[in-house]
Amino acid sequence: DGGITQSPKYLFRKEGQNVTLSCEQNLNHDAMYWYRQDPGQGLRLIYYSQIVNDFQKGDIAEGYSVSREKKESFPLTVTSAQKNPTAFYLCASTPRDGSSGANVLTFGAGSRLTVL
Amino acid sequence: AQTVTQSQPEMSVQEAETVTLSCTYDTSESDYYLFWYKQPPSRQMILVIRQEAYKQQNATENRFSVNFQKAAKSFSLKISDSQLGDAAMYFCAHCGAIIQGAQKLVFGQGTRLTINP
Repeated sequence: DGGITQSPKYLFRKEGQNVTLSCEQNLNHDAMYWYRQDPGQGLRLIYYSQIVNDFQKGDIAEGYSVSREKKESFPLTVTSAQKNPTAFYLCASTPRDGSSGANVLTFGAGSRLTVL
Repeated sequence: AQTVTQSQPEMSVQEAETVTLSCTYDTSESDYYLFWYKQPPSRQMILVIRQEAYKQQNATENRFSVNFQKAAKSFSLKISDSQLGDAAMYFCAHCGAIIQGAQKLVFGQGTRLTINP
């Protein structure tokens, strides 16, 4: 079945370390997104990518970086510059414009990052 | 900037009863989309319902329906015949008209729904 796979599900990091969260999709979707979820704040957009080798900052991009070398993959790196990285991270994707459901996000199961 | 507000952090309802979750939004666009997503304890986000702003008819999906009041910028979700499996966080979200590229959804803070047996 097609879907989005995020790994790892749980991740622990020491302060000062960078960590990379994986996001892989086999839906043949063009656009991919990273959201951060904190209690009481809903989901906030970190980065998004419309096409391979292109990505844009979302609302809370500081302290994060991404790459989009393949259509299927959109990894997120949480750098040591992110002051409060403990959160739940969700990856999502959408199909090509004009297709049915072009703005319906399909989500992965999420990754929980805890800074020790 | 678009904003989405859910004023009810928590709601509870008896099984088989009806419950309505509130959502208001602010946008300067005339063409846009509104969504309700459900996040059960597994934390997997699931689309519940989608409404296109240019459509006057309220969207429905089985036991789920919306009351879309465009002038008031209100988009409430009604769950009829509540079931234990409906217990989850519910997020309201807004997206502008579909344009080239990615679709940036703005989410509300969420409402935690508890179903009492």
